[in-house]
Amino acid sequence: DIVLTQSPGTLSLSPGERATLSCRASQTVSSSYLAWYQQIPGQAPRFLIYGASNRASGIPDRFSGSGSGTDFTLTISRLEPEDFAVYYCQQYGSSPITFGQGTRLEIK
Amino acid sequence: QVNLVESGGGVVQPGRSLRLSCTASGFTFTSFDLHWVRQAPGKGLEWVSFVSSDRGHEKYADSVKGRFTISRDNSMNTLYLQMNSLRPEDTAVYYCAKSGMGRFGVPRPYFDWWGQGTLVTVSS
Repeated sequence: DIVLTQSPGTLSLSPGERATLSCRASQTVSSSYLAWYQQIPGQAPRFLIYGASNRASGIPDRFSGSGSGTDFTLTISRLEPEDFAVYYCQQYGSSPITFGQGTRLEIK
Repeated sequence: QVNLVESGGGVVQPGRSLRLSCTASGFTFTSFDLHWVRQAPGKGLEWVSFVSSDRGHEKYADSVKGRFTISRDNSMNTLYLQMNSLRPEDTAVYYCAKSGMGRFGVPRPYFDWWGQGTLVTVSS
């Protein structure tokens, strides 16, 4: 199974700042089949990014994804109050599908 | 607008069974693969199972293989998860999720829409 390790575990930033979240895979993620999700506590996950760098429909352009192989990054260019949440990466290039353990983005 | 609504969760004793349902609307149900993903209290996301659009293929996480069965009724736009021999470690919110679609209509198992989830608690 591909293990996804997200870092940092918790990121403390202020609104307006830039957030950089990392997702590292234990093996190459085939065809950059990596997705990102946002989850606000008590809510279902929200789909953000697929194919490592493609924004889902309706996702603001302050969210961007990059990376390939084993190293992937989610960047939020200027944090809005509603962006403080938990973020998960997911690989779908190999079976079984696996998720990272999440990065909590909290208000500093 | 895509809508996925899960039901059937509750409190159940270890070793007993439960069946979850997910009713879908807002998209062509027969064209998309569907998945179950769960989240234990305070923990991360865990993929559980998948069924293809035509019901021809199924997959399961090792943690539920042999105990859980996924199915779908394409005439009722409904996805199911039959959970047998439940264990305390199966306690979680269970989400149904719609699979994405790549180029040329090839399904891609990222999850572009999620239900609100249904809580299953396995406890004596």
